[in-house]
Amino acid sequence: GNSVTQMEGPVTLSEEAFLTINCTYTATGYPSLFWYVQYPGEGLQLLLKATKADDKGSNKGFEATYRKETTSFHLEKGSVQVSDSAVYFCALINTNTGTASKLTFGTGTRLQVTL
Amino acid sequence: GAVVSQHPSWVICKSGTSVKIECRSLDFQATTMFWYRQFPKQSLMLMATSNEGSKATYEQGVEKDKFLINHASLTLSTLTVTSAHPEDSSFYICSAKPPRGASSNGYTFGSGTRLTVV
Repeated sequence: GNSVTQMEGPVTLSEEAFLTINCTYTATGYPSLFWYVQYPGEGLQLLLKATKADDKGSNKGFEATYRKETTSFHLEKGSVQVSDSAVYFCALINTNTGTASKLTFGTGTRLQVTL
Repeated sequence: GAVVSQHPSWVICKSGTSVKIECRSLDFQATTMFWYRQFPKQSLMLMATSNEGSKATYEQGVEKDKFLINHASLTLSTLTVTSAHPEDSSFYICSAKPPRGASSNGYTFGSGTRLTVV
């Protein structure tokens, strides 16, 4: 079956520090990969996505590259801000089924950025 | 872009009563919606897949008589927590498949409903 493994948090960084949140996956075929962000008390927002190997998703300074050889989709940002404090979820959809596929989530990584 | 509205954002109810949560796709038709439950500081647990015009598909371990899902139109799915108890207190989130059809675009989420049963 499909699964997503994320590094455990919380991750605490000072403002302007470099961020990496590791994510690896297990899936058959060629899944689409996503990073979602959840701010306190809110639902999830799509941060970025990649649909095939070597694709790079990017948004708001965040980046992640779909690495099929290492089955990874690590999230990076060069300089974090306090406003980036949130929970980040790595997820995949396996589009091979031909029906409305379910999102498989990682456990989430809480990021806390301090001044 | 695709917007999903979830209502209410929070609700407090007494034990034994029922609570209905609505999930609406505002600017697109959603034949499929998903309902999740999230415990504090944990990931999302998929409860069920809601299909317009047919019965919902529940995940293993989710009581379908406890969590009633109705998807009567292409823009509205509802989750009713029946005879609520304190252990049902949680954050419930819905999501919808976007109109372009490609799951590879990801799904749009509602803002969630915080349910507290006292």
